[in-house]
Amino acid sequence: DVVMTQSPLSLPVTLGQPASISCRSSQSLVYSDGNTYLSWFQQRPGQSPRRLIYQVSNRDSGVPDRFSGSGSGTDFTLKISRVEAEDVGVYYCMQSTHWPPWTFGQGTKVELQ
Amino acid sequence: EVQLVESGGDLVQPGGSLRLSCAASGFTFSGSSMHWVRQAPGKGLVWVSHISGDGRTTSYAESVKGRFTISRDNAKSTLYLQMNSLRAEDTAVYYCTRTRSFGPWGQGTLVTVSS
Repeated sequence: DVVMTQSPLSLPVTLGQPASISCRSSQSLVYSDGNTYLSWFQQRPGQSPRRLIYQVSNRDSGVPDRFSGSGSGTDFTLKISRVEAEDVGVYYCMQSTHWPPWTFGQGTKVELQ
Repeated sequence: EVQLVESGGDLVQPGGSLRLSCAASGFTFSGSSMHWVRQAPGKGLVWVSHISGDGRTTSYAESVKGRFTISRDNAKSTLYLQMNSLRAEDTAVYYCTRTRSFGPWGQGTLVTVSS
């Protein structure tokens, strides 16, 4: 199984400042079709998860452009250019290249300082 | 707009059974693979099961293999999860989601296994 490792697990942030979350996989996430199936999800308190990013860097419809995804192979990053209050929550990365099983990172809790 | 609505969660005793449903709308259901994902209280997300669009291919997490069965009724645009031999560790909110990259998700349904 592919192990997804996120860091940090807790991220205190300041409004208006940038934030970054790292996600590493135990093996390359490049699929045989050339695509890399790495997604990012946001889960606000008391809500269902919401996908923000798919295939490393593609933002879902309605996701603010302050969110961006990057990376390749085994190393990936989610960046928030300027944190807003509504960004508080837990963020998960997930791989869907090598399945089953589909595997998530442990989650990174983003909270205001 | 894609909508997924889970139902069927309840309080059940250890060893009991439960069937969850996920009603889908806003997309071609038969063309989408579907998944169940669960989240134990205060914990992270864990993939549970997958089914292909035509229902012929299924897969399960090791922790539920032999106890849970995923199925779908494409005529009713509904996904199911039959859960048997339930254990305390199956207590979680169960979400359904679609496609390879899990977008979007339903609101979830709570399953509590306790005596």
